[in-house]
Amino acid sequence: DVKVTQSSRYLVKRTGEKVFLECVQDMDHENMFWYRQDPGLGLRLIYFSYDVKMKEKGDIPEGYSVSREKKERFSLILESASTNQTSMYLCASRDRSGANVLTFGAGSRLTVL
Amino acid sequence: AQSVTQLDSQVPVFEEAPVELRCNYSSSVSVYLFWYVQYPNQGLQLLLKYLSGSTLVKGINGFEAEFNKSQTSFHLRKPSVHISDTAEYFCAVSDKGGSEKLVFGKGTKLTVNP
Repeated sequence: DVKVTQSSRYLVKRTGEKVFLECVQDMDHENMFWYRQDPGLGLRLIYFSYDVKMKEKGDIPEGYSVSREKKERFSLILESASTNQTSMYLCASRDRSGANVLTFGAGSRLTVL
Repeated sequence: AQSVTQLDSQVPVFEEAPVELRCNYSSSVSVYLFWYVQYPNQGLQLLLKYLSGSTLVKGINGFEAEFNKSQTSFHLRKPSVHISDTAEYFCAVSDKGGSEKLVFGKGTKLTVNP
């Protein structure tokens, strides 16, 4: 089974701090995604990556950046955290040959005070 | 661009009752359709998918969904629910040939009561 691991399940940060959310997948998937989940809004795509060192903006990239230096790792970076970035963040990966079937991590719940 | 509408944000039912979670989509091209489930404090996991072929799709845990092209719907059904089915359910769509992005609905919270 594909495993997508988000190392930090719960984080509490202060406004203005730089935040790194890490995601690692173990099945050699080319594509990786970061979503944000908020009550009543569903999942919204922040950034995705088709391959190493490649990144594409999703629907809500403002205030975020990403890094994909190795195929298995996709990091989401909040350069200066703000309270409106308090949310659940979900990482997912996908085999390029698959019909858009995503495998998700367990999520990272971020609280910004 | 695709969009997904889940018509009910919350659905309470009693154990062993049937349930239907409704999903409508809009797209100008052929689509793939998905239902994902999220149990409390977990990520999303695939429940079932429609790629092509038979319009009735069976998934895990006794769930099934029917693709209706004329009504642009993909409703999820289970004939008899269990307490353990309490979770949030997300419908999602992507087009077959162009964008590889998956567009999600806002979710339906299913609560199964004893």
